[in-house]
Amino acid sequence: DTGVSQDPRHKITKRGQNVTFRCDPISEHNRLYWYRQTLGQGPEFLTYFQNEAQLEKSRLLSDRFSAERPKGSFSTLEIQRTEQGDSAMYLCASSPTFGGPTDTQYFGPGTRLTVL
Amino acid sequence: AQTVTQSQPEMSVQEAETVTLSCTYDTSESDYYLFWYKQPPSRQMILVIRQEAYKQQNATENRFSVNFQKAAKSFSLKISDSQLGDAAMYFCAYRSALRAGSYQLTFGKGTKLSVIP
Repeated sequence: DTGVSQDPRHKITKRGQNVTFRCDPISEHNRLYWYRQTLGQGPEFLTYFQNEAQLEKSRLLSDRFSAERPKGSFSTLEIQRTEQGDSAMYLCASSPTFGGPTDTQYFGPGTRLTVL
Repeated sequence: AQTVTQSQPEMSVQEAETVTLSCTYDTSESDYYLFWYKQPPSRQMILVIRQEAYKQQNATENRFSVNFQKAAKSFSLKISDSQLGDAAMYFCAYRSALRAGSYQLTFGKGTKLSVIP
């Protein structure tokens, strides 16, 4: 079990550009979550997938944000027309639906986005 | 909406001593889960300990234990025999057990723990 992985670890972009992040959950974890963490704050929930279905979205997830999880494996988070306020750490987490504490989320290392 | 409050932005402890981090939460629900996560500098967040609200017994994981006071909506973390590797941001988090399909975690703002050699 290699844990949750995220790519890239760091991304610097100019305002107005599009960016895409990838998350690979722990294998056999059906649930996948995206959070955003700004400096000095705790993570804030963005969205949640069970298999390939996106079941919950936060109001923080504006129209410029889109998340996908094709085939129920890895997930991508795309931000279109980035703004300076999008600068944050984007965290991915996954959790099982059986075989362990299904309420516990395991986090990846995050992707730090800087919008210039 | 649920809220989680960590009133201590920073704490420090001498190595080998005991420290308690505070967390309070606000909810109208009767069944939920509470968590403490640790986020070391530039490293990923890891679970320290979890507590089911329906269990009266406080959770314990080696040097880490909680004091769960459901009526007071308080969930403090005690770290015994503090080690240098315990230095990190600690986040308290809440998850509903009642709302079907809602698995989001609500986090506090965190407490930065420093361990003094």
